[in-house]
Amino acid sequence: KQEVTQIPAALSVPEGENLVLNCSFTDSAIYNLQWFRQDPGKGLTSLLLIQSSQREQTSGRLNASLDKSSGRSTLYIAASQPGDSATYLCAVGPGGGADGLTFGKGTHLIIQP
Amino acid sequence: ETGVTQTPRHLVMGMTNKKSLKCEQHLGHNAMYWYKQSAKKPLELMFVYNFKEQTENNSVPSRFSPECPNSSHLFLHLHTLQPEDSALYLCASSRGTIEDTQYFGPGTRLTVL
Repeated sequence: KQEVTQIPAALSVPEGENLVLNCSFTDSAIYNLQWFRQDPGKGLTSLLLIQSSQREQTSGRLNASLDKSSGRSTLYIAASQPGDSATYLCAVGPGGGADGLTFGKGTHLIIQP
Repeated sequence: ETGVTQTPRHLVMGMTNKKSLKCEQHLGHNAMYWYKQSAKKPLELMFVYNFKEQTENNSVPSRFSPECPNSSHLFLHLHTLQPEDSALYLCASSRGTIEDTQYFGPGTRLTVL
């Protein structure tokens, strides 16, 4: 059964810092990996999708990498802003015959003004 | 807006009630999903529908009954729920079930008394 782990569980940094969020998964047989953000009481917003054949994806200040063989992904946030404060979720899938995503518990990020 | 709407946004029900959650997507997608998000646990996949056919039932108790009358609408019928079923229920859609970004609705916050 696929398991996804996100480290750290929580992170608080001053505005302007660059930061890295980590995600690891136990089964490398995945089609893709997605990073989402979730604001309190809200649904999920997709940030980046990396297909299994890709190594990284970039969108604005965000860069996500994927090392499928080692079961790891990182989300790099450059020049952090208070508006980046949210919970960041990593999800992998589909794989192993299941069509849905398998999620980690998330990293709760606070950017201090 | 993600193009996926959910109603109601909040629901309080007793253990003997019957209620339904509704999800509608305006993105022309073919796949729809129900996820459950409980406190301090990762999002859990419940059901997957692809072209109106259920392709995944992730060992969900029978007190949760999904219905997908067409590719744009997804329902989750609830009956005889338990207090531990209290959670945020999220609906998502994607163009297909493999390799495609999933778009999430805002969720229904369910409280079972």
